[in-house]
Amino acid sequence: GIQVEQSPPDLILQEGANSTLRCNFSDSVNNLQWFHQNPWGQLINLFYIPSGTKQNGRLSATTVATERYSLLYISSSQTTDSGVYFCAVESGGTSYGKLTFGQGTILTVHP
Amino acid sequence: SAVISQKPSRDICQRGTSLTIQCQVDSQVTMMFWYRQQPGQSLTLIATANQGSEATYESGFVIDKFPISRPNLTFSTLTVSNMSPEDSSIYLCSVESLGDRGYNEQFFGPGTRLTVL
Repeated sequence: GIQVEQSPPDLILQEGANSTLRCNFSDSVNNLQWFHQNPWGQLINLFYIPSGTKQNGRLSATTVATERYSLLYISSSQTTDSGVYFCAVESGGTSYGKLTFGQGTILTVHP
Repeated sequence: SAVISQKPSRDICQRGTSLTIQCQVDSQVTMMFWYRQQPGQSLTLIATANQGSEATYESGFVIDKFPISRPNLTFSTLTVSNMSPEDSSIYLCSVESLGDRGYNEQFFGPGTRLTVL
């Protein structure tokens, strides 16, 4: 099956800093989504981005499908950005809605 | 968007027993998905549940261990049977639905945090 690798595994920032999280995938995908899991375990969908660039406030994401990677940018980080960021992909013709997750990036933002 | 609730939110169970987790969605959906997140790990898909048909299980997961029901388009249950400490995980229900941003997104329930002693 498809492999999804995220880097870095851990990231520690001071409030106000910027960061870039990366997601590499081993095969073509139908869609790619970025999620944030807060310290209470709730998963929030940040972006649905199989290709191109999207922005939502301080967050933006870019997926280069031909080169099989996606980047999540966090600018002016805040303590509430702490948590785990997952990249997840859907691939194959019969895997509608079935996601393969990367191992995640654990982000800690200090005040 | 879809709002998903799960019951129970957490439980502590004895080995050898079974626990049924409920998932309720506020809109009708064709498919519902069950994921497991072991401690400190990522999410792994257990099975896909369609209304009116048998659930489809991923490699490594079997119906005898994780029976699933899907009686209607807004509800599903996952049972964790004959539990062992290795089943201690967060179990999450998920659906794909049109989001407020105008495209399909995956929505997740708050999860059921299971500890097996």
